[in-house]
Amino acid sequence: DIQMTQSPSSLSASVGDRVTITCQASQDITNYLNWYQHKPGKAPKLLIYDASNLETGVPSRFSGSGSGTDFTFTISSLQPEDIATYYCQQYDNLPFTFGPGTKVDIK
Amino acid sequence: EVQLLESGGGLVQPGGSLRLSCAASGFTFSSYAMSWVRQAPGKGLEWVSGIDGSGASTYYLDSVKNRFIVSRDNSKNTLFLQMNSLRVEDTAVFYCAKEGAVAGTFEYWGRGTLVTVSS
Repeated sequence: DIQMTQSPSSLSASVGDRVTITCQASQDITNYLNWYQHKPGKAPKLLIYDASNLETGVPSRFSGSGSGTDFTFTISSLQPEDIATYYCQQYDNLPFTFGPGTKVDIK
Repeated sequence: EVQLLESGGGLVQPGGSLRLSCAASGFTFSSYAMSWVRQAPGKGLEWVSGIDGSGASTYYLDSVKNRFIVSRDNSKNTLFLQMNSLRVEDTAVFYCAKEGAVAGTFEYWGRGTLVTVSS
């Protein structure tokens, strides 16, 4: 199985700050990498697909980059509504696997 | 608008069975693969099982193989997960998810149903 790691596991930042999360795959997954936002009690939401493509309707302050084994997710200007846990997920091979998540909150 | 509504969760003893359902609307159900993803208390997301649009092909996480069965009724726009021989470690919120044009991208999710396995 492909193992996904994320760092940091949690972070606290101020409104307007730039926030960066990294995700690493245990093997080359080309660009078969998605990013999701999950708020407690709500349905997870797809934000970025194919490593760098913004899902329709998602604010442009969210972005993704990377290929191979190393990926980055960025919130360019953190907003209060962005408080959530963010997960990367590979779909290169079954079983589809998620990173352990990064919990983002406001300082 | 795509809507996914899970049901069927509850409290069950170890070794017991439970059947989850996911009612889908807002899209052509038979055209899309579907998956079940779970989240154990305090843990992250874990893909459990998937099924293609026709129901002919199914996929499972190793730890649930031979215990869980995924199926779908395209005439009723409903996805199912039959869970047998349940273990304490299966305790989780189970989400159904609609896959996109590319398998493994979960475009839409339900809000989940809680399964608690405990004596």
